[in-house]
Amino acid sequence: DSGVTQTPKHLITATGQRVTLRCSPRSGDLSVYWYQQSLDQGLQFLIQYYNGEERAKGNILERFSAQQFPDLHSELNLSSLELGDSALYFCASSVLGWGAYNEQFFGPGTRLTVL
Amino acid sequence: GQQLNQSPQSMFIQEGEDVSMNCTSSSIFNTWLWYKQDPGEGPVLLIALYKAGELTSNGRLTAQFGITRKDSFLNISASIPSDVGIYFCAGQLGRSQGNLIFGKGTKLSVKP
Repeated sequence: DSGVTQTPKHLITATGQRVTLRCSPRSGDLSVYWYQQSLDQGLQFLIQYYNGEERAKGNILERFSAQQFPDLHSELNLSSLELGDSALYFCASSVLGWGAYNEQFFGPGTRLTVL
Repeated sequence: GQQLNQSPQSMFIQEGEDVSMNCTSSSIFNTWLWYKQDPGEGPVLLIALYKAGELTSNGRLTAQFGITRKDSFLNISASIPSDVGIYFCAGQLGRSQGNLIFGKGTKLSVKP
């Protein structure tokens, strides 16, 4: 158990809908990262938050957004869903978010299926 | 975007055999990490490497940070059935960047 929790474990929805994925980082970690894992693209970095502020953006679509709340949990919002958005979405956390020794610990993931 | 070339893509080995996999990049990395992912689970951190040339062990696992900082390898000695899974290398480009770039993974199958 990495200490990172994600809910829900599975999500099935229809095209055009909007969903919210939730992540709680390990105790003491200030940075949260979101990654998408698909069969063809592998694990791709989406976005990073540090202590409530957006710190880095990766290959995140404009239809996707995220935020980190004062209690440090984070939510990833996916809207206008398309079939191609079906994937595993992972949250990871680390103590800081940069520098050396920036080990990231991953949650169990949310499997999103868009029908 | 940046990519890590991880090889081999898959391996089928006999229990007790040693395994070796590696990652290469055209870019210099500041940190190399190796993860293992079981089906339906998140990646689990196995080994972290922070200095060029560093050799680190974790039980039967040994990993090295290449001297050029553009590659890393992971060895598993005396494989056992529970080693089955997908192994990913991941790199951090610079100290100011926190996000990881992942290889495509090596799928390991172990025959008892």
